[in-house]
Amino acid sequence: DAEITQSPRHKITETGRQVTLACHQTWNHNNMFWYRQDLGHGLRLIHYSYGVQDTNKGEVSDGYSVSRSNTEDLPLTLESAASSQTSVYFCASSERETQYFGPGTRLLVL
Amino acid sequence: GQNIDQPTEMTATEGAIVQINCTYQTSGFNGLFWYQQHAGEAPTFLSYNVLDGLEEKGRFSSFLSRSKGYSYLLLKELQMKDSASYLCAVRDGSNTGKLIFGQGTTLQVKP
Repeated sequence: DAEITQSPRHKITETGRQVTLACHQTWNHNNMFWYRQDLGHGLRLIHYSYGVQDTNKGEVSDGYSVSRSNTEDLPLTLESAASSQTSVYFCASSERETQYFGPGTRLLVL
Repeated sequence: GQNIDQPTEMTATEGAIVQINCTYQTSGFNGLFWYQQHAGEAPTFLSYNVLDGLEEKGRFSSFLSRSKGYSYLLLKELQMKDSASYLCAVRDGSNTGKLIFGQGTTLQVKP
């Protein structure tokens, strides 16, 4: 069955380290999105992509970057992790209107 | 500005009906989504409304009034497994297809 996966599911890192979160989908969707979810804020868009080599900044993109070298993957990189980036990160993909979410990565920055 | 409002918490009884409201003010509108999210899990798609009116899917229905900037999710014959957060999201009027999420409504179903 087609699906969307994220890895790792849990990550603990230290302030200042570079961290990359993986997102992989087998639906062949062109559109992929990264969100973070924090108490009191709901889901907020970090970056998104509408196809290979296309990337765009979302609402809360500072300190994050993405790259899209193929259809299946959109890795999210935290260039220098900060404690404010402790959160749950969700990847999503869509072909048309509806976005389908991965299982999430819980990141703790100490 | 972009604003989506939903109640933070609701409580209902097993077997009952509950209505979760969502009001929105966004720059343009290209559809409204409802997602269900159980604690510690990913949001899962429930419904999509782009035209005014009621969409029914089994025990769940979603209503939209674009002129009022208002939607509701109606859950009938509540079950304990319906205890979850319900997220309202609006697709904005740009050609980007981005979703703007409300903070979610946590529903607790009691026996």
